[in-house]
Amino acid sequence: KNQVEQSPQSLIILEGKNCTLQCNYTVSPFSNLRWYKQDTGRGPVSLTIMTFSENTKSNGRYTATLDADTKQSSLHITASQLSDSASYICVVVREGGGNKLTFGTGTQLKVEL
Amino acid sequence: DAMVIQNPRYQVTQFGKPVTLSCSQTLNHNVMYWYQQKSSQAPKLLFHYYDKDFNNEADTPDNFQSRRPNTSFCFLDIRSPGLGDAAMYLCATSRDRGAQNTEAFFGQGTRLTVV
Repeated sequence: KNQVEQSPQSLIILEGKNCTLQCNYTVSPFSNLRWYKQDTGRGPVSLTIMTFSENTKSNGRYTATLDADTKQSSLHITASQLSDSASYICVVVREGGGNKLTFGTGTQLKVEL
Repeated sequence: DAMVIQNPRYQVTQFGKPVTLSCSQTLNHNVMYWYQQKSSQAPKLLFHYYDKDFNNEADTPDNFQSRRPNTSFCFLDIRSPGLGDAAMYLCATSRDRGAQNTEAFFGQGTRLTVV
């Protein structure tokens, strides 16, 4: 069964600290993996997209890694800000799946003063 | 500038009263998707249009219908909303559906409340 699992489910960190979110998937065959940020009551916004051949991709303070062999990805947030408080969703696209997105349930991040 | 626009942002409807949610896009993308997202859950794909070709997910209830009168607009019709249909409804678009790295752009969502 094609699944995407994320950990931790929720996380609280202090402003300025770094954090790393994890994503494991069983989706196969693999096409690409995406990280989205979803603010409460808003639609998801794309942070990164990585294909099989890409190990890391950065977008400002966000750095995503991908290990396609172990089917794991991580999202590292550097120097967190209050505005980083959101749900971070890992999404995997299956090759030949018509760009159908398989969503993880997200990690709820809260950044506090 | 908003590229995928959903209206309204918040919709309250009565149990059993038909309701229509709207999505428009300025990207001229071929594919438009509708997702249902319940609290603390991942979005669930209801259906998508590839151009005029409608693709329903196998487990989407018949209560949910969709229309795409032109490239820019797509509607979600809920014929007889039940309490269990209360959710955030997300519209998304993508240029294509088969290629790698085809980005999906989401709207802000419509929060549906059924009373």
